[in-house]
Amino acid sequence: QKEVEQNSGPLSVPEGAIASLNCTYSDRVSQSFFWYRQYSGKSPELIMSIYSNGDKEDGRFTAQLNKASQYVSLLIRDSQPSDSATYLCAVHNQAGTALIFGKGTTLSVSS
Amino acid sequence: EAGVTQFPSHSVIEKGQTVTLRCDPISGHDNLYWYRRVMGKEIKFLLHFVKESKQDESGMPNNRFLAERTGGTYSTLKVQPAELEDSGVYFCASSQGPIGQPQHFGDGTRLSIL
Repeated sequence: QKEVEQNSGPLSVPEGAIASLNCTYSDRVSQSFFWYRQYSGKSPELIMSIYSNGDKEDGRFTAQLNKASQYVSLLIRDSQPSDSATYLCAVHNQAGTALIFGKGTTLSVSS
Repeated sequence: EAGVTQFPSHSVIEKGQTVTLRCDPISGHDNLYWYRRVMGKEIKFLLHFVKESKQDESGMPNNRFLAERTGGTYSTLKVQPAELEDSGVYFCASSQGPIGQPQHFGDGTRLSIL
């Protein structure tokens, strides 16, 4: 089993819809979880971090964490064409230092 | 505040040559990381510096790779001699403070070995 798994997509949603991105991880002791957005040829840009079970909201983004199910998700409300990018789920290793990444989910928002 | 900067943005070299990548972290960030993404794969950890000390180099693929961070500021990653399988995008990231903090990434260096 891969350490961090994401559906590669592409996930296609119309403008204004809710985009739902999912991620599962294998290490039960993981404590820190991150979502990065990456445009082609650019750096991964941190958009959300979450450390506790439940929901965390920041503008149009909501991260959800369920440690019992080893599952973290990202919801993007009112999706815009500018949200079209690859979304990377990342989990800290046991030491809390190195990030373990999934392959990323490609999101396409059509206008 | 300037972000993480990497140089060069692209490098094309022949097998057997040497290449040196540079990373300037965000000012004040003691933690500096190198990652690599090869085509079709996920981004993978290479090593971690705290100031000038290597804390974890468990991800370094072999002894052809040498990372340094003299003075605890910028870092270099040298590949010598380069092999075809070293092609990919090399990212640098930095973070401040204790463990568990978010890491901020540079745009990466796209390395192509011919």
